[in-house]
Amino acid sequence: EVRLVESGGGLVQPGGSLRLSCAASEFTFSDYEMHWVRQAPGKGLEWVSYITSVNTVYYADSVKGRFTISRDNAKSSLYLQMHSLRAEDTAVYYCAREAYGSTCFDYWGQGTLVTVSS
Amino acid sequence: SYVLTQPPSVSLAPGQTARITCGGDNIGSKRVHWYQQMPGQAPVLVVYGDSDRPSGIPERFSGSNSGNTATLTISRVEAGDEADYYCQVRDTSSDHWGYVFGTGTKVTVL
Repeated sequence: EVRLVESGGGLVQPGGSLRLSCAASEFTFSDYEMHWVRQAPGKGLEWVSYITSVNTVYYADSVKGRFTISRDNAKSSLYLQMHSLRAEDTAVYYCAREAYGSTCFDYWGQGTLVTVSS
Repeated sequence: SYVLTQPPSVSLAPGQTARITCGGDNIGSKRVHWYQQMPGQAPVLVVYGDSDRPSGIPERFSGSNSGNTATLTISRVEAGDEADYYCQVRDTSSDHWGYVFGTGTKVTVL
């Protein structure tokens, strides 16, 4: 069974940095495009960032210039480096796999909570 | 940027049919996907490519997409269907290329 496990969330002060990780298993990680999606408390889903199997990256306007997505195919891991964090970045961050040949997210991790507060 | 609009809530009795709309400019030209999210849990894909179901999703879940509206239909609603539902597309037509989620609809089974 495909598994995605996020880690690295926590409490950080405004302006601070945090690095999220997502460990993937039970599928050939290098073959898939991967995403980060977030959900602020009590709010809807917001797409954050995307990395292709050949390391092309895209970002939502709300995080462009502050967040960096990367992957290590040898470790089957996805990362999100977050800088200049703001209160509005407070959310549960999910990593999600894009289904092969589609534009949907077929598997999601359980999420990791990032809280930006002083 | 591309906007997907859903009704905030839908309430219905068990056994009825829920129809959740997702409105977007010429959404019929895009592939629409739908997710179910139970409280405190990660989203689950229930319909992809407008009308296909992943394995394990009941036939009661179906989708359609035409013009400016996509629709998720849940037939014979059960108490276990109570959740938030989100539509999603990939937008490559605007300056803000990216993946877009709808505003979400809370389904309540009375």
